[in-house]
Amino acid sequence: GAVVSQHPSWVICKSGTSVKIECRSLDFQATTMFWYRQFPKQSLMLMATSNEGSKATYEQGVEKDKFLINHASLTLSTLTVTSAHPEDSSFYICSAAGTSSYNEQFFGPGTRLTVL
Amino acid sequence: GQNIDQPTEMTATEGAIVQINCTYQTSGFNGLFWYQQHAGEAPTFLSYNVLDGLEEKGRFSSFLSRSKGYSYLLLKELQMKDSASYLCAVLDSNYQLIWGAGTKLIIKP
Repeated sequence: GAVVSQHPSWVICKSGTSVKIECRSLDFQATTMFWYRQFPKQSLMLMATSNEGSKATYEQGVEKDKFLINHASLTLSTLTVTSAHPEDSSFYICSAAGTSSYNEQFFGPGTRLTVL
Repeated sequence: GQNIDQPTEMTATEGAIVQINCTYQTSGFNGLFWYQQHAGEAPTFLSYNVLDGLEEKGRFSSFLSRSKGYSYLLLKELQMKDSASYLCAVLDSNYQLIWGAGTKLIIKP
């Protein structure tokens, strides 16, 4: 149980284009999903917290107009990187808060984005 | 501010035991997690501690001392597949996960 999927696994795009990443909780309902970014050899950086049916809460320094988050259902959240630039190239990971008593986060497999 | 410290890198020998330490200063405490992350992959859950003491799970054990703001992850009978980064994360008073930078563990034959 508690499986989270992400799609696509990797994507290469041209500078200036937009990329959408989907995060799905496959066997449980996730009222809260988290989006992280991880640059090589660095730890996870929380970008935003997404609650179903409401606006996402962005961390300081993360541009909400550039990283659009939609959490339309209890099993799906999407992150859209708008007008991507090479500096946006990174490993993007989503997680969903589980149903256990201690708020464990279950991680998706990640999406590697390369912007040319 | 909130801070989690863990060593950047450690090296150990196959079959041996290694202890990865984590110290934290956070606004509130609702538990400490250890995650394993292989290169190019997402983190996977290893353990959760909210009360003081040792939690054992197979070859892996995790210890917590809330009064000292300290935890360690103990890995026994090391295998080559244990080469990975180990992330310490604390759930603060707002139930936000505060992440350490991770410890890269290198296992040598």
